[in-house]
Parts: sequence; C-alpha cells; structure tokens
Amino acid sequence: NAGVTQTPKFQVLKTGQSMTLQCAQDMNHNSMYWYRQDPGMGLRLIYYSASEGTTDKGEVPDGYNVSRLKKQNFLLGLESAAPSQTSVYFCASSSTPGTSTDTQYFGPGTRLTVL
Amino acid sequence: AQSVTQPDIHITVSEGASLELRCNYSYGATPYLFWYVQSPGQGLQLLLKYFSGDTLVQGIKGFEAEFKRSQSSFNLRKPSVHWSDAAEYFCAVGDSGAGSYQLTFGKGTKLSVIP
Repeated sequence: NAGVTQTPKFQVLKTGQSMTLQCAQDMNHNSMYWYRQDPGMGLRLIYYSASEGTTDKGEVPDGYNVSRLKKQNFLLGLESAAPSQTSVYFCASSSTPGTSTDTQYFGPGTRLTVL
Repeated sequence: AQSVTQPDIHITVSEGASLELRCNYSYGATPYLFWYVQSPGQGLQLLLKYFSGDTLVQGIKGFEAEFKRSQSSFNLRKPSVHWSDAAEYFCAVGDSGAGSYQLTFGKGTKLSVIP
C-alpha cells in the first residue's frame, strides 16, 4: 500500500514549456486534490476532483489544467510554464469529504522550477 | 470566504517544555478544523481534526487541540515537546457546506526545538 505517489519528484522547465505532473493513489479514494506550496503562503488549492471524471477549480487555477480519467489517477498540466509557477506541488486524496472520517492523505510533493 | 490565521511564523521551545500553537479561523457556519504537520522535504501528515462533539480533540504523537467557538480558535498543544517535533505545523479549515472539498490552510508555524 503505497498511499499517494507523485512523479516526478523534481523538475526544471524553461518558460513556455509544458509538462504534466502525475499523481496516483491506491486507497480507492473518491476525491483527489492538487495544491501548491510557496514559502510563507501555506498550501493553496489549485483543482480538486470529487469523483472520477469530474473536476472543479480551487483558489488558484489559472495556468493549470487537470484530468481525472481514472479513479486512481489525477493529472496536473501546465500548458505554458511561467516562473510564477515555480513551487512545490502536492497531491492529496480522501475517501469521505465532509464526514467525521474524512482525512486528506498527501503525497511527497513535486518540486518544480521554471526558469 | 473562509480564512485561517496562524499568528506565529516561528516558535522556538526547549525540549521538554510545553507547546501551544495558535490558530484562528473565519467561517460562518460550524467549521471542520484540522492540524497537519510537515517535516522538511516531506508531505503533510494529519495530527488531529475536529468535526463536532467534544471540543477537546486528541491526536497522534501526544498532541491535542481545543475548539473554542467564542474565540474562533483551534489551538494545538503538547505538554512536553520532543526534539522530533521540530517541523512546520499547518492549521486548516474545511468548508462543511461543500464537504471538505476545499480546505483553506494557514501559512504555517515553524517549530524549532532546542536540546
């Protein structure tokens, strides 16, 4: 049981390049999330997916797109990377949002640098 | 919109001393409240959560937190800090109107422990 895994762990891009961050969970969770973490800013929600095939915007969605074609995978895309997207990206998943048993489980993060 | 304030950016305590990390939230209804811990280079781990009922919540690693509605606070406490508690701590509030699909995090409090 690996929990939440993210690939790659590190990535350097040039401005304008595109890439996809991958997230996988093996806990059969319905909901998945993408956050970014910047120094002194805490975590901010980019997008979330309440269930397979559905996605919704979070607090900071501009410049990103997401895909949830399979229940266990949640992809975060950067179509044209900008230096402002330099950050650490965390994926999370949870089984029962809004209930007392709910817990978001986080992956180890992807450190992205855009030059 | 909900918000979370962690007034202390950095706290230093001696090993064995007691600890209290402050968290104030802004939310119209009854909030779902969480404390997460992040060790350097790692993802976030849930320490404890409050959904309803008893306002004193026990968590892992000897931590507890008390929900005080009148003060809009959810402070984290530990009676005796260990060197391994050095990490960054995040308070978060969940939107109960939409389940916990959207968690809003505070900016974090970094804890240093002096041997």
